[in-house]
Amino acid sequence: EDKVVQSPLSLVVHEGDTVTLNCSYEVTNFRSLLWYKQEKKAPTFLFMLTSSGIEKKSGRLSSILDKKELFSILNITATQTGDSAIYLCAVDEGNFNKFYFGSGTKLNVKP
Amino acid sequence: NAGVTQTPKFQVLKTGQSMTLQCAQDMNHEYMSWYRQDPGMGLRLIHYSVGAGITDQGEVPNGYNVSRSTTEDFPLRLLSAAPSQTSVYFCASRSPGTGIYNEQFFGPGTRLTVL
Repeated sequence: EDKVVQSPLSLVVHEGDTVTLNCSYEVTNFRSLLWYKQEKKAPTFLFMLTSSGIEKKSGRLSSILDKKELFSILNITATQTGDSAIYLCAVDEGNFNKFYFGSGTKLNVKP
Repeated sequence: NAGVTQTPKFQVLKTGQSMTLQCAQDMNHEYMSWYRQDPGMGLRLIHYSVGAGITDQGEVPNGYNVSRSTTEDFPLRLLSAAPSQTSVYFCASRSPGTGIYNEQFFGPGTRLTVL
């Protein structure tokens, strides 16, 4: 059974649109949830979330965690073609270094 | 700092061959991990280590061995390659904790094809 589920699996939008990516999880001993962006190479780090309700922001990207409902969202406003990538969500189960990844959301931003 | 380095970048094996994927980091990170990524999927944890001499299995450990004799190096050994092991392999490292400096750094990946 998947511990981390992302939705949607893929998404096509036009430049300027706002998108919301979802990540739900089910792990014991939750420590943190991480978002990554992957563009044909290794994933690059976006956010680490550990506390509910505290929004993390970086430019047009923001993310928030709900530890009661066991999910996180990643928002991207005013999307650009450079945002096209696979967005991965990962959860640290607290076993020191055991991360579970979702299958990712493939975002395609058209001009 | 070179960060996390992996060699080789590409490798083609025949079924039954063995090989070692190399991973090294120069950030003095205690934690290191190996993941595989298959097309259209996220990363799956193969093995991980929380320090020199300490390793443990992840989600998909079968067919792979690891060792951690130094803090810097974490090689992944394929014992007898199978076509099902065709994948992209990523090594990662991080320091313990959940602060903003504890993110996981990934190597560039090794693309392995088993014929």
